[in-house]
Amino acid sequence: DAGVIQSPRHEVTEMGQEVTLRCKPISGHNSLFWYRQTMMRGLELLIYFNNNVPIDDSGMPEDRFSAKMPNASFSTLKIQPSEPRDSAVYFCASSRGNEQFFGPGTRLTVL
Amino acid sequence: GIQVEQSPPDLILQEGANSTLRCNFSDSVNNLQWFHQNPWGQLINLFYIPSGTKQNGRLSATTVATERYSLLYISSSQTTDSGVYFCAVRFGSSNTGKLIFGQGTTLQVKP
Repeated sequence: DAGVIQSPRHEVTEMGQEVTLRCKPISGHNSLFWYRQTMMRGLELLIYFNNNVPIDDSGMPEDRFSAKMPNASFSTLKIQPSEPRDSAVYFCASSRGNEQFFGPGTRLTVL
Repeated sequence: GIQVEQSPPDLILQEGANSTLRCNFSDSVNNLQWFHQNPWGQLINLFYIPSGTKQNGRLSATTVATERYSLLYISSSQTTDSGVYFCAVRFGSSNTGKLIFGQGTTLQVKP
């Protein structure tokens, strides 16, 4: 199994630009999670989907953030417009009920 | 509030030494995972252990759910064990949902 796949691995952009992060979960997993890791706040959940339906988006910081899961094998996290304080590592994880498995993360830098 | 607390926050060991990392949580859990975040930022699954004891090579873990803590044991530590160890829990009874991460224990193993 290829594991959770994320792209891009690194993204550098300028303030105000739109950023789209992508995730392919492990085949057969029905839950998908987007987490963000920063030095100040550690690892925190942004949003999670169960069977492609958003279940809990209480961690999404503000309206500039949006996430979609159009099918069982793909999800996007979009930031528009991006700000320097969005700089962080964004992880996608998937699970089939219990144990969660994480992708390699996308390191986002907003200048 | 709901909390996950890890101790110690930092640990320095000489290669070959043993160590115990602790995770305390504030409520009943139905999922507890230990992760190792290596120096390249990857989150590697160590154990899925909501209760009981498991062993994998030099690592073992024990969760005493009724007393709300989990322990991760590292024996004969190696320099490749360096990194941050996270405990993450899912509270409640649902078999889906977000993980709440502790702040981690940063381990440095010196040769």
